[in-house]
Amino acid sequence: SAVISQKPSRDICQRGTSLTIQCQVDSQVTMMFWYRQQPGQSLTLIATANQGSEATYESGFVIDKFPISRPNLTFSTLTVSNMSPEDSSIYLCSGTGSGNTIYFGEGSWLTVV
Amino acid sequence: AQSVTQLGSHVSVSEGALVLLRCNYSSSVPPYLFWYVQYPNQGLQLLLKYTSAATLVKGINGFEAEFKKSETSFHLTKPSAHMSDAAEYFCAVSVSGGSNYKLTFGKGTLLTVNP
Repeated sequence: SAVISQKPSRDICQRGTSLTIQCQVDSQVTMMFWYRQQPGQSLTLIATANQGSEATYESGFVIDKFPISRPNLTFSTLTVSNMSPEDSSIYLCSGTGSGNTIYFGEGSWLTVV
Repeated sequence: AQSVTQLGSHVSVSEGALVLLRCNYSSSVPPYLFWYVQYPNQGLQLLLKYTSAATLVKGINGFEAEFKKSETSFHLTKPSAHMSDAAEYFCAVSVSGGSNYKLTFGKGTLLTVNP
C-alpha cells in the first residue's frame, strides 16, 4: 500500500498570507488529488493534480486561490493563497495505487487567524 | 454525476452490539464504493472497497459491507462493536472505468460506542 506524507501537519497562519502544503508518496501513483475538509464537514474535492501540467479544478475552486503543482509522479504541492479564516480546514492529499485503491495522507490542519 | 447519502449523522451503540452504518449511492455508471474511517484528529483510513468483484467485501478491524445494486446500497456492518471503533465513518463513491478516481463523499456518520 502507498504511504502518503504531508507537510506541514498543522499550522496557524495569519490572514492574507499564503501557505504551501507538500504531499509525498512513497511509490508511484497514477492519480493525485487534493481535498478540503472544513470543520465538522465532509470532504470536498478541490482538484486533480496532473503531472507536468495545470491541475484540473472542481467547480468552486480556482487556480489563483489554490495553485497546485505536480512535477513528478510522487510529489505534489497545494498552495492556499491570501488566506482568510474561511480557509481554516484540513487539506488532504490522496493518491490512486494498485488495485483501484485510493489512499489519503494524514492531512494538513490549517487555522487562519 | 454520482452522489452518496449516509443515513444518520450520529449512531450510538453499546459495546458488543451490532454496528450498522447506512450508505446509499447514486451513479449513472457502475460505481466503485469505499468506506473510510477518521479517528479524532487524524486523517482518513481505508476500511474497505468494492470494485465490481465480490458483492460482500471484508475490510479491516472486522468490518464488512455488502453491495446491493437493486437497493443502491453499501451498508457497513460489524457484528460486535468495540470501544476503539468510535470514530467518524465516510462512505464514498467513484466512477469506475478509465482513470477517474475522483471521490464523492457522504456527509459522514459519527459512531459512538457506550460501555
